[in-house]
Formats: sequence, structure tokens, C-alpha cells
Amino acid sequence: ILNVEQSPQSLHVQEGDSTNFTCSFPSSNFYALHWYRWETAKSPEALFVMTLNGDEKKKGRISATLNTKEGYSYLYIKGSQPEDSATYLCAFENYGQNFVFGPGTRLSVLP
Amino acid sequence: DSGVTQTPKHLITATGQRVTLRCSPRSGDLSVYWYQQSLDQGLQFLIQYYNGEERAKGNILERFSAQQFPDLHSELNLSSLELGDSALYFCASSATGGDEETQYFGPGTRLLVL
Repeated sequence: ILNVEQSPQSLHVQEGDSTNFTCSFPSSNFYALHWYRWETAKSPEALFVMTLNGDEKKKGRISATLNTKEGYSYLYIKGSQPEDSATYLCAFENYGQNFVFGPGTRLSVLP
Repeated sequence: DSGVTQTPKHLITATGQRVTLRCSPRSGDLSVYWYQQSLDQGLQFLIQYYNGEERAKGNILERFSAQQFPDLHSELNLSSLELGDSALYFCASSATGGDEETQYFGPGTRLLVL
């Protein structure tokens, strides 16, 4: 059984605050870790695909790090804005062609 | 294990053919969603059902159709298959389909069209 966990489940921050959340995944047989920004009933927007241990990726105010040895990834948002409010979803992919989604972290940024 | 099951896990077929993908939601969940994950387009929302009725439609092609049965399982039918339909197809379920609910994803069906 492949479990992908995300924490916290939901988060409320004030505009301008920086925030981060975690995705935990199995450390064995790792192939890639995907992060999505997602508004329900819409197609999730792919943020990052990370494959190498120690990877750090950045897209505007959003960045992510990856530790494949211990099985976690952090997503950081610097200076949160109301338009950052969404669910942030991670998905773990392994060499067995398994693709497992986490439950998501729901972020609300209050003006 | 999310509690959502999808069959088959893998499917290989030829262009022009038709296939049916099956999804069983988590026990008690009334809403089912279908997504397509492809290399070039990422994860695309296709369609949502709630208690047997279509609730929302996304980027679903006319060659594709879906339904949700009285026992709440859902099927996604893909017809006149093209090479570009090769993708991972995910099903997710949630309790009532509300915007704030967590969706639980199944393991996906990997479709390869040759």
C-alpha cells in the first residue's frame, strides 16, 4: 500500500504571510514527485515535477524542495496573496508506474 | 489506500477501438470525478457525477462519455481511440461533491493506444 500524506489539511493565513506545507511519500522506488495547484472542478495546474534528491524548484513566489531519502517534499509560498487560495496537491510516482495522490492542503489567504 | 478502486490497471488497445474504464468510489461517497493525466496536457478534469447525475463537465471530448450507476460506481467510455488518448485516467470520489470536500483519488488506469 502506497500512502501519500499532506499536512496540514487546511491552512488560513493573512495576506503577506509566508507559508509552507508538507507532502510525505514512500522513500523506496521513487521516480518523481508532482505538485499541483488546484481549484475544484477545474483542471489542476501543474507547479513542479521533481525527480532528484535535493531538488529545489521555484516558480514566482512558490518554491519546493525534495528529499527522496526521507520521503518528503515542502512547498513554500512567500508573501501569500488572496489569489494563492487553492488546494495544493502532491502526487508520488514510482518505477512501478504507480501514481498516488495526497489528500491536498487547502490554503485560504485572507485579505 | 484511498478506498477508490479502478479497473483495469493497464489497458493496451489499437486506434479506432472503444474501451471502458471502471471506478468504484469510497464507501459512502456519492460523487465521482474523472481526470486525464497526459504528458503534454498535465492533469485535466473531465467530468463529475453526483448520485447518478452529471454535475460538472470539464475538458471531455465528444468521443468520451461517462455514467454513474445506481450502485454509485462509474464508467468512462472512450471510443474511436486515437494515439493522443494514451494517458493515465484517474477517478476520484468525495462525499457529496461540494467544492470544499477532499477528493480521494484512485490508482488510475494506464491506457496505451497503439
